[in-house]
Amino acid sequence: AQSVTQLDSQVPVFEEAPVELRCNYSSSVSVYLFWYVQYPNQGLQLLLKYLSGSTLVKGINGFEAEFNKSQTSFHLRKPSVHISDTAEYFCAVRKTSYDKVIFGPGTSLSVIP
Amino acid sequence: DGGITQSPKYLFRKEGQNVTLSCEQNLNHDAMYWYRQDPGQGLRLIYYSQIVNDFQKGDIAEGYSVSREKKESFPLTVTSAQKNPTAFYLCASSTPGLADTDTQYFGPGTRLTVL
Repeated sequence: AQSVTQLDSQVPVFEEAPVELRCNYSSSVSVYLFWYVQYPNQGLQLLLKYLSGSTLVKGINGFEAEFNKSQTSFHLRKPSVHISDTAEYFCAVRKTSYDKVIFGPGTSLSVIP
Repeated sequence: DGGITQSPKYLFRKEGQNVTLSCEQNLNHDAMYWYRQDPGQGLRLIYYSQIVNDFQKGDIAEGYSVSREKKESFPLTVTSAQKNPTAFYLCASSTPGLADTDTQYFGPGTRLTVL
């Protein structure tokens, strides 16, 4: 069965500092990978996705993620965070278009002024 | 504007009462999903529907029921059999089968509190 691990439940970081949110998945087959962001009391918004091709994926709000097949990882990065980036971030995976999406437990990013 | 609407945003019910959460989408998506989110936890799939008049149980379907009579609507009923219904409920939709567009779009959520 597939699973998604987000190693850090909470990540505090100072404003304008870089951040990396880690995500690892378990799957023996090719997968699609996603990062979503959730602001308080709101739904999830897609940040970026990896379907195929280039392993470096750029998303909205200055975020990017790198797919590493050998390490089964899909870490999310931003070179300089803003206060407005404070939110919950979810990594997700699905095997094919007809499979369920499996979400990780989430990482709470807190940007400190 | 295309999107997913969920209503109401906040819902309070007494223990033992059934309650129905609304989810409507005008994205012309075939598939729709219901998730439950509890504090500090990820999303857990309750039910999903790939096509009108068909739906499948997710990982935590007990105590919930759904219907899919129209493509744009996928209401969720939380029954009195659900032991711990207080949670944040999220509806999503997607168009499976098209890899480039196969992304789940989420509604704003309904926070259900059972008193």
